[in-house]
Amino acid sequence: AQSVTQLDSQVPVFEEAPVELRCNYSSSVSVYLFWYVQYPNQGLQLLLKYLSGSTLVESINGFEAEFNKSQTSFHLRKPSVHISDTAEYFCAVSELQGAQKLVFGQGTRLTINP
Amino acid sequence: EPEVTQTPSHQVTQMGQEVILRCVPISNHLYFYWYRQILGQKVEFLVSFYNNEISEKSEIFDDQFSVERPDGSNFTLKIRSTKLEDSAMYFCASSEVRGGSGELFFGEGSRLTVL
Repeated sequence: AQSVTQLDSQVPVFEEAPVELRCNYSSSVSVYLFWYVQYPNQGLQLLLKYLSGSTLVESINGFEAEFNKSQTSFHLRKPSVHISDTAEYFCAVSELQGAQKLVFGQGTRLTINP
Repeated sequence: EPEVTQTPSHQVTQMGQEVILRCVPISNHLYFYWYRQILGQKVEFLVSFYNNEISEKSEIFDDQFSVERPDGSNFTLKIRSTKLEDSAMYFCASSEVRGGSGELFFGEGSRLTVL
């Protein structure tokens, strides 16, 4: 079985400041790793994912996440946030085999202050 | 852009009543899912569905729950006799491919409040 821990339930930052949202996971098997984002009044959207290869993955809107196998982490970072990044961010894992069953963390609410 | 749509966005019901939550997945997707999020808790997997049958379900998905694809477009979650603890946001999702690497596309959710 897998589990995902997002260490911060809320992260307030000022606009243009850097941010890191932390995610740690545990699993007895290899997993894929995902970050999903939920903007206000919308569904969950895939932000980025790690399947294999380079441990650093990037999204189209400037976020990046680095898979660290030894620390079982997949922290999400952005060097300079914008008001429009205000959302809830969910880290998730799924097994390599079998159905696409995501195991989510509890979410981190990112609030950007002007 | 294709999207997953869910209805109703919010439903209030009395304990013991039956509820049906509806979803229209993306048209060329073959795999369908229901997740739920109780307020303040994690998003949890309920069930996955492929080829007109359940492919996997969690221990949450007991006999009170059922899923159906009654026609070529809708995917429904039925809760036969709702309990207070069924109050949650229910998310429908669909994917084009099976397996852990595929992207799930989620709907905006249906908020169920059981009184």
